[in-house]
Amino acid sequence: AQKVTQAQTEISVVEKEDVTLDCVYETRDTTYYLFWYKQPPSGELVFLIRRNSFDEQNEISGRYSWNFQKSTSSFNFTITASQVVDSAVYFCALSEGYGTASKLTFGTGTRLQVTL
Amino acid sequence: ETGVTQTPRHLVMGMTNKKSLKCEQHLGHNAMYWYKQSAKKPLELMFVYNFKEQTENNSVPSRFSPECPNSSHLFLHLHTLQPEDSALYLCASSQDRFSNQPQHFGDGTRLSIL
Repeated sequence: AQKVTQAQTEISVVEKEDVTLDCVYETRDTTYYLFWYKQPPSGELVFLIRRNSFDEQNEISGRYSWNFQKSTSSFNFTITASQVVDSAVYFCALSEGYGTASKLTFGTGTRLQVTL
Repeated sequence: ETGVTQTPRHLVMGMTNKKSLKCEQHLGHNAMYWYKQSAKKPLELMFVYNFKEQTENNSVPSRFSPECPNSSHLFLHLHTLQPEDSALYLCASSQDRFSNQPQHFGDGTRLSIL
């Protein structure tokens, strides 16, 4: 069965600090997809990134970067120079297989609080 | 116009009431989902529809009844709810059930059962 673990329940940083959110996953499939979502106080989950299991290249998008390491089953998310607007709950998620009825399994989320 | 719209944003109801949650997506997607988000728990998938057909019911109690009249609209009919049903209910849509494309979520309906 697939599982996603976000061990950090809550993180507090001061604005402009860098912060890394950890995500560890378990799956028996060789083909799978990993996702990160952001949930601000308004409630909507905002899609940030999708990565498939065959692409281990790290990705950078502005202040956001993602480090995918199959050897440790991790897909960590780093925010550089954090801002107050980054305050939200961040969810890592896993979807197994391709061409089958995929099911998105979420971690329990990490609440990030960025203060001035 | 936002991609996925949910109404109402907040709902307070008694255990004997009947109400419905509505979800509408403007993304041209063919799969729609209902999730329940309770405090300190992972998001729980409730129902999945693919091309208007229900493809998954994740052991949800019968007091929750989904309806998908077309690929753009999804309802969740509620009746005789329990206090433990108080939660944020999120609707999502994606291209279809099989392609692993990202799911896009609405703002959710925060439900409180008195």
